[in-house]
Amino acid sequence: DARVTQTPRHKVTEMGQEVTMRCQPILGHNTVFWYRQTMMQGLELLAYFRNRAPLDDSGMPKDRFSAEMPDATLATLKIQPSEPRDSAVYFCASAAGGYGYTFGSGTRLTVV
Amino acid sequence: GENVEQHPSTLSVQEGDSAVIKCTYSDSASNYFPWYKQELGKGPQLIIDIRSNVGEKKDQRIAVTLNKTAKHFSLHITETQPEDSAVYFCAASYSGNTPLVFGKGTRLSVIA
Repeated sequence: DARVTQTPRHKVTEMGQEVTMRCQPILGHNTVFWYRQTMMQGLELLAYFRNRAPLDDSGMPKDRFSAEMPDATLATLKIQPSEPRDSAVYFCASAAGGYGYTFGSGTRLTVV
Repeated sequence: GENVEQHPSTLSVQEGDSAVIKCTYSDSASNYFPWYKQELGKGPQLIIDIRSNVGEKKDQRIAVTLNKTAKHFSLHITETQPEDSAVYFCAASYSGNTPLVFGKGTRLSVIA
């Protein structure tokens, strides 16, 4: 089965450090999403792209988060500087259009 | 924007019994309603979806019903098995053109 690949699976970092998470969407999927999952807030949309163009990043703290798609096979989410409240599981998902999202296994981020 | 409420937050059933999870949404324009299953340490996986031109859809032991007038939809799992134990999320969007908004999830435990 085709899958969305996320790296790293786990990341522990110190407050103030830069964190980069990567996502390889399914080949042929033109829409890529970044969601953050916490116990309190559930699954929250951070940003999404269609045909590599950013459509909405209103869910991200702009001063510290950035999302890019340098090419069709790679999406990145960066946090700089990281803070303890950023600790969460970050999911990438891809879709052909807007239906049938396929999620990756997530990056579990711990900021100490 | 869209808001999706999901109930209950936890549900325990005996193996072989049925389980029902309910969601309500706020935006009457929403017309796509998927359900995702998340197992421990994994990303959410699509299990069934429904679009607003139908009121019910069934796939083996899983069914989803939609009431557009009342703006609610439900997941029904019959003959539950221990492997059905997971967290289930409902979601809603408009024609797949807006990102999915997720409910907070229901932790289902099937007791053998």
